[in-house]
Amino acid sequence: GAGVSQSPSNKVTEKGKDVELRCDPISGHTALYWYRQRLGQGLEFLIYFQGNSAPDKSGLPSDRFSAERTGESVSTLTIQRTQQEDSAVYLCASRRGTRGDTQYFGPGTRLTVL
Amino acid sequence: AQKVTQAQTEISVVEKEDVTLDCVYETRDTTYYLFWYKQPPSGELVFLIRRNSFDEQNEISGRYSWNFQKSTSSFNFTITASQVVDSAVYFCALSEAGYGGSQGNLIFGKGTKLSVKP
Repeated sequence: GAGVSQSPSNKVTEKGKDVELRCDPISGHTALYWYRQRLGQGLEFLIYFQGNSAPDKSGLPSDRFSAERTGESVSTLTIQRTQQEDSAVYLCASRRGTRGDTQYFGPGTRLTVL
Repeated sequence: AQKVTQAQTEISVVEKEDVTLDCVYETRDTTYYLFWYKQPPSGELVFLIRRNSFDEQNEISGRYSWNFQKSTSSFNFTITASQVVDSAVYFCALSEAGYGGSQGNLIFGKGTKLSVKP
């Protein structure tokens, strides 16, 4: 089946604007993760969804970041009042239900905040 | 605390050379998983291998091989007879499967940039 998809692939915005990033997981994958990759860095965990359970938001860097997911479908990551330090590639990954199963990544959204 | 260290920031080799990428991890869990991902210039993370903490068998897949040693908390990756197409950033990652708060998120090393020159 299809892999993880993300949109948009690129987003340029002005400081202070809100942005919304979308992730479509692999069908049947109950777990979904958002990560952030700043230029030349490794990936940082942001948020985790598992089925209908409450999300784990422990990696969100500030209250300007939020994310939603309905059931086991699409997720959106919203960044309010963007700052230049939010510039990064935002990657989404999904896996089947068991912890330790392989996470498959989407192509990412490159966000540039001017 | 969990941590993954990839001490080599950049490696440059000439085609056909063998190269080993190092990965050292820290975890208190007895059940955990280790991964390697490849990130070519296109940016997408490509899954290479997954290993659980109870299986220390080394693995070979074509030109790729992995050496997992719990005694030294290492999970090293060797490319034999490297090719230009192997040029990428390689990430080692750890996922804890215990139930002490971890949600199975991946903890990544900072990556090793491999350049293979013709």
